[in-house]
Amino acid sequence: EAEVAQSPRYKITEKSQAVAFWCDPISGHATLYWYRQILGQGPELLVQFQDESVVDDSQLPKDRFSAERLKGVDSTLKIQPAELGDSAMYLCASSPTSGRAKTQYFGPGTRLLVL
Amino acid sequence: QKEVEQNSGPLSVPEGAIASLNCTYSDRVSQSFFWYRQYSGKSPELIMSIYSNGDKEDGRFTAQLNKASQYVSLLIRDSQPSDSATYLCAFYILTGGGNKLTFGTGTQLKVEL
Repeated sequence: EAEVAQSPRYKITEKSQAVAFWCDPISGHATLYWYRQILGQGPELLVQFQDESVVDDSQLPKDRFSAERLKGVDSTLKIQPAELGDSAMYLCASSPTSGRAKTQYFGPGTRLLVL
Repeated sequence: QKEVEQNSGPLSVPEGAIASLNCTYSDRVSQSFFWYRQYSGKSPELIMSIYSNGDKEDGRFTAQLNKASQYVSLLIRDSQPSDSATYLCAFYILTGGGNKLTFGTGTQLKVEL
């Protein structure tokens, strides 16, 4: 069964350092999403890609966060510099472009701890 | 008013009972509704989607949608300890940039032996 892949699964870093997360969506899924989930809350969308184009990055803190999907397949989310408040689970999801509901399927996530 | 509201729980039910989880939503929600299950420390896993008023059944799970009252619910029959998790409802909400999947804060379910 096809799955969304993410790495690393866990990341511990010190504040002011740079971190990067990688995501490989389900094959054939043109839409890719990055979410941040703080403990006790639901996932919140950071950025959405359609192929290699950004569709929505309105909630992405652009002073420190960046995301790219250069070839329209896998994607990287970067934080520089990391802050204590960035400690959270970072989730990647993908969905097919066509179809009724654009059901999103999540990867295993990257748990980030900023010290 | 929040766009999506869920009771955070925890909701405790005995093994074998029916667990009922509810979610209300605002006017800007579109026609696609989802329930995800999330075990502690894991990522959300899709359980069910529902698009039309009424009930949709899948095994021990039944999703119910009432657009007039703006709520969606999830019933879990014959609850098992393995059902203990946080259940997230999610809806596509119309925004300036298109449709965005918006999650509730989740309801924690505990199935007790």
